[in-house]
Amino acid sequence: GESVGLHLPTLSVQEGDNSIINCAYSNSASDYFIWYKQESGKGPQFIIDIRSNMDKRQGQRVTVLLNKTVKHLSLQIAATQPGDSAVYFCAENLSDTGRRALTFGSGTRLQVQP
Amino acid sequence: SAVISQKPSRDICQRGTSLTIQCQVDSQVTMMFWYRQQPGQSLTLIATANQGSEATYESGFVIDKFPISRPNLTFSTLTVSNMSPEDSSIYLCSVLWDGDTQYFGPGTRLTVL
Repeated sequence: GESVGLHLPTLSVQEGDNSIINCAYSNSASDYFIWYKQESGKGPQFIIDIRSNMDKRQGQRVTVLLNKTVKHLSLQIAATQPGDSAVYFCAENLSDTGRRALTFGSGTRLQVQP
Repeated sequence: SAVISQKPSRDICQRGTSLTIQCQVDSQVTMMFWYRQQPGQSLTLIATANQGSEATYESGFVIDKFPISRPNLTFSTLTVSNMSPEDSSIYLCSVLWDGDTQYFGPGTRLTVL
């Protein structure tokens, strides 16, 4: 399939290590955030979300941290596997306006070295 | 989550022609969206497809260039009109599911020569 994110910042990690992917969001009023994973040739896949009334949320091998003071979001992946190699996007939304469209960050490519 | 399919999955088109992309969902959904992802870029919202009324377009996108239909709660089409090489992108539909979460289709990879 075609490559996504040819010119994106890249994070390279060793298999088994933990990965941390960071995102600075733009709207201080945003109250809902999502992380997506996009593999080459595929659409974005939902990973985990968090609302602004929380600062941490955990899923299976993933944790999202939200720091509203500095408008920063991070995705932590534990025990990174080769299948985690993809481009990761954060997205934000201001849900109470009724406008449900997402604003996406620029993305980070994660490369997992065996 | 909803299962979303898009047709075609990819196409190569000549400049000046038009292509209609279909998005089908396996469940009724209230909101559907169309995004564009240019090579090496992130996703940009084109429009919100409203069932029974005109689509709501984002700044920089117009109905004449990207006409959208939404005849029912499970289907939408996006047409890329009078194409130029700058329209070469991945076009993605998404649906609003379970409140605020959006799920995406597999995308349509368009190359304009």
